[in-house]
Amino acid sequence: DAKTTQPPSMDCAEGRAANLPCNHSTISGNEYVYWYRQIHSQGPQYIIHGLKNNETNEMASLIITEDRKSSTLILPHATLRDTAVYYCIVRGYNTNAGKSTFGDGTTLTVKP
Amino acid sequence: NAGVTQTPKFQVLKTGQSMTLQCAQDMNHEYMSWYRQDPGMGLRLIHYSVGAGITDQGEVPNGYNVSRSTTEDFPLRLLSAAPSQTSVYFCASRRQGAVDTQYFGPGTRLTVL
Repeated sequence: DAKTTQPPSMDCAEGRAANLPCNHSTISGNEYVYWYRQIHSQGPQYIIHGLKNNETNEMASLIITEDRKSSTLILPHATLRDTAVYYCIVRGYNTNAGKSTFGDGTTLTVKP
Repeated sequence: NAGVTQTPKFQVLKTGQSMTLQCAQDMNHEYMSWYRQDPGMGLRLIHYSVGAGITDQGEVPNGYNVSRSTTEDFPLRLLSAAPSQTSVYFCASRRQGAVDTQYFGPGTRLTVL
């Protein structure tokens, strides 16, 4: 699986868009980009995933660069409840079936 | 559906004691995994399973055993607890053939004295 690089921490003002970057320069053609988040001490929660097209759901948007070497998770109107650790992972569809590893993620702090 | 459940929520052990952390899911997921999370750190994969009777090691398997006798249950055994195993343990599951949309349990906080 491709390795990802994320900044360790970021701040965002409440109501503004939070843009969380992820670098995955060694991604291969069949690997997806996934984002999870972990609020306080809870178990991580799936947010969104994409292959090469931009994706949007009720939680967030995912922008993947044309060369697929990096991506950005966008929370359009961050709230205090979005304060969490955000993990970006890259995996092939069903590759290494069942083996899903996480890095250290980005700690996003949303400030009033 | 209860989703992924873990017991106990909290546990304190003395060095050298053994115990089993329980994990169960009621979603009929084939894949299950155990992670540990040390303070201020990310998740590290301990062991995982792709189905009943099939398990494999993750990134940090030493000191832990697993078995998968049923689809629903995936217990994690600490054979001889050490202070270095003080951590929060998360169990997760997902469907075979699905994208990586894992469902996580609430975690077990383990302290080894």
